[in-house]
Amino acid sequence: IAGITQAPTSQILAAGRRMTLRCTQDMRHNAMYWYRQDLGLGLRLIHYSNTAGTTGKGEVPDGYSVSRANTDDFPLTLASAVPSQTSVYFCASSDSDRRTEAFFGQGTRLTVV
Amino acid sequence: KNQVEQSPQSLIILEGKNCTLQCNYTVSPFSNLRWYKQDTGRGPVSLTIMTFSENTKSNGRYTATLDADTKQSSLHITASQLSDSASYICVVRRYNTDKLIFGTGTRLQVFP
Repeated sequence: IAGITQAPTSQILAAGRRMTLRCTQDMRHNAMYWYRQDLGLGLRLIHYSNTAGTTGKGEVPDGYSVSRANTDDFPLTLASAVPSQTSVYFCASSDSDRRTEAFFGQGTRLTVV
Repeated sequence: KNQVEQSPQSLIILEGKNCTLQCNYTVSPFSNLRWYKQDTGRGPVSLTIMTFSENTKSNGRYTATLDADTKQSSLHITASQLSDSASYICVVRRYNTDKLIFGTGTRLQVFP
């Protein structure tokens, strides 16, 4: 089934550890995004990539990094996790037409202790 | 400031009843507005997308309206079903950017 896949589904992580959240899409979408969703807040953009080889910062990029080596994959890395990064993380993708919808993965629930 | 506000925060209705969710935005310049449904533990799924020139758009029992002059949108759910229990998120895109601005959502619970 075509779509966008995230891994892992959930993770408990010790503070200070490094963690990479994986995201893969098979729709050949140019644009990909990482959001975090916290209780009482709307989804907030962490980083984005308009096309393979390029990335950009969203509204809450600190403590996170991304790479876009190819069209399909867009991993999100926490270099040294902190408790405030406890959240649900969603990866999304869309094609270049800004009218089109963004397709979301099922989310990764991350708890930093 | 570009914001999207939704009301109510939560809503409980009985199966078979209708309901209307509200979305007010201050995002400018405006490109389009989307309504997403997010089931518990899942990612958001698009219900409708509306541009400046569209007033109404339906997707089955879901009908979205848009008043670009007052910067208001509503999502009307007809003859609710238990499977409609979810969060409904209003999302506005700024014109000529890829930036999506998300509301905090309305949590709808449908009881039998």
